[in-house]
Amino acid sequence: AQKITQTQPGMFVQEKEAVTLDCTYDTSDQSYGLFWYKQPSSGEMIFLIYQGSYDEQNATEGRYSLNFQKARKSANLVISASQLGDSAMYFCAMREDPQGAQKLVFGQGTRLTINP
Amino acid sequence: EAGVAQSPRYKIIEKRQSVAFWCNPISGHATLYWYQQILGQGPKLLIQFQNNGVVDDSQLPKDRFSAERLKGVDSTLKIQPAKLEDSAVYLCASSLDGTGGNEQFFGPGTRLTVL
Repeated sequence: AQKITQTQPGMFVQEKEAVTLDCTYDTSDQSYGLFWYKQPSSGEMIFLIYQGSYDEQNATEGRYSLNFQKARKSANLVISASQLGDSAMYFCAMREDPQGAQKLVFGQGTRLTINP
Repeated sequence: EAGVAQSPRYKIIEKRQSVAFWCNPISGHATLYWYQQILGQGPKLLIQFQNNGVVDDSQLPKDRFSAERLKGVDSTLKIQPAKLEDSAVYLCASSLDGTGGNEQFFGPGTRLTVL
């Protein structure tokens, strides 16, 4: 079974609009963490935002916020006021704690294209 | 602060040949990861080191892939012999200690093409 599901293979958004990228996860652990990474065409993975399973407030980092709904097991990324430079692949990832290995499991990604 | 360094950036080899990739993590980062990213997919963890010890290599095809991290700093990933399905980007990442919200910092990757 997929641990991380990103159901939107591609998204097209007008510049300056807000965009929500969906992510659902599957785990039976009580302690876990959720990450979002951006991968531009250059290929490097850039960390955007982190949400711990015990964090009560939704994480925010500048224009990025994470809409964390624990009961629904969803961790959607919201980008406000999108910019042309936001065009990239976006990956949701989960850190589980299987015997302390702290490994990250990534979703398939969503390709975001910002139109001028 | 210097980021994660990887070399080479690109490599093209014939199937059944050997290849090695090198990674230098961010100074002071105890945890080092190697990922394989096949085109159109998310990265898949191959191996995770804590200092110079392996903590997870459950998805490393050990019949052909090997990795080491001598002295707990630099790391090399080797494929011998390569198969067509090994064509992918190999990403190295490091984090402070692999715990909590400490994010992983990624290098630029090595794009491997096996012909």
